[in-house]
Amino acid sequence: ELKVEQNPLFLSMQEGKNYTIYCNYSTTSDRLYWYRQDPGKSLESLFVLLSNGAVKQEGRLMASLDTKARLSTLHITAAVHDLSATYFCAVDGLSSGSARQLTFGSGTQLTVLP
Amino acid sequence: KAGVTQTPRYLIKTRGQQVTLSCSPISGHRSVSWYQQTPGQGLQFLFEYFSETQRNKGNFPGRFSGRQFSNSRSEMNVSTLELGDSALYLCASSRQGGVDGYTFGSGTRLTVV
Repeated sequence: ELKVEQNPLFLSMQEGKNYTIYCNYSTTSDRLYWYRQDPGKSLESLFVLLSNGAVKQEGRLMASLDTKARLSTLHITAAVHDLSATYFCAVDGLSSGSARQLTFGSGTQLTVLP
Repeated sequence: KAGVTQTPRYLIKTRGQQVTLSCSPISGHRSVSWYQQTPGQGLQFLFEYFSETQRNKGNFPGRFSGRQFSNSRSEMNVSTLELGDSALYLCASSRQGGVDGYTFGSGTRLTVV
């Protein structure tokens, strides 16, 4: 059974600081996704990482994937208040044949303080 | 382009009733999957449909069922509602294999009283 562990679960950081969210998973997978969720809202896709060594950047966020270490990171650079949200990683695992399903981490609730 | 459309947005039902939720995927996406989000259990996979066939099902009781129509629209049904079924139900659409990622709808918030 695929398990996805995210840490930290809660993160308060000051504006302008840098930080990294970690996502570890337990079995082989080559597809990992990062999502953002604002309170009461749905999941907004941030990054799609499809191969070992993949690195993607959008604004102040950068995500990477190391399939050998079964680890993805979401790095936040010079945080601003608008980044306050809950961030989820999700691993796409093959369950049988071509049927895939996402297994989500518990989420990291990020609060950026002025 | 139009996103994933879920209806209704909010529902209040009584224990023992049944409910049907609808999801229209992005045009051209043939895979629709459903997820339940609760504060206690987080985001959990319910089932996935592709070309009207259920290919995968999560660890939920048989009260949870679904189907997909020839136009890729999907419905999920929950019978004999329990208080614990109160949750945000999200559907996601993708091209086959999720290579382009999964796009989520706005969700249906179900409250069982």
